[in-house]
Amino acid sequence: EIVMTQSPATLSVSPGERATLSCRASQSVSSNLAWYQQKPGQAPRLLIYGASTRATGIPARFSGSGSGTEFTLTISSLQSEDFAVYYCQQYNNWPPLFTFGPGTKVDIK
Amino acid sequence: EVQLVESGGGLVKPGGSLRLSCAASGFTLSSYTMNWVRQAPGKGLEWVSSINSGSSYIYYSDSVKGRFTISRDNAKNSLFLQMNSLRAEDTAVYYCARGLGATGFWYFDLWGRGTLVTVSS
Repeated sequence: EIVMTQSPATLSVSPGERATLSCRASQSVSSNLAWYQQKPGQAPRLLIYGASTRATGIPARFSGSGSGTEFTLTISSLQSEDFAVYYCQQYNNWPPLFTFGPGTKVDIK
Repeated sequence: EVQLVESGGGLVKPGGSLRLSCAASGFTLSSYTMNWVRQAPGKGLEWVSSINSGSSYIYYSDSVKGRFTISRDNAKNSLFLQMNSLRAEDTAVYYCARGLGATGFWYFDLWGRGTLVTVSS
């Protein structure tokens, strides 16, 4: 099983600042990595797939980068609606065994 | 409106069974791989099972293999999860999620709001 780790566990950021979230895979997942945002009491929302492609309707302030085992989600200028938990997910196993990271909570500084 | 709506959750005793349903609207379910993902209270996301459009590829996580069965009825635009031999550790919100990507390499682009399953005596 590919184990996903995320850092930091919590990131305190002021509105308007840049946030950088990290995700690491225990073995290479190529570019088969997605990022999701989840707000309290809500379902996750897809932000990024293929490590760097924004999903439909996702603002340009969200960007993803990386390949192999190291990935980054960057939020260029945090808006109030961006305070949430962010999960990465790899989808590179065969047979399929999709795994998520433990999440990074982005809260208000 | 494109959406997924789960139902069927509730309180069940250990060893019991429950069947979850997911109704799709605003898109044709038969064109997509469908998935179940769960989230224990206060915890992260855990993939449970996937089924491709024609039901020819079905996969389960090790934690539910042999106890859960995923199925679909494309004519009724519905996805199901039959859960047997339930354990306390199966307590979670269960999300139905639409899958995109190459066969077996799926990410989840549309999620329902989830249904809570509580396993307790």
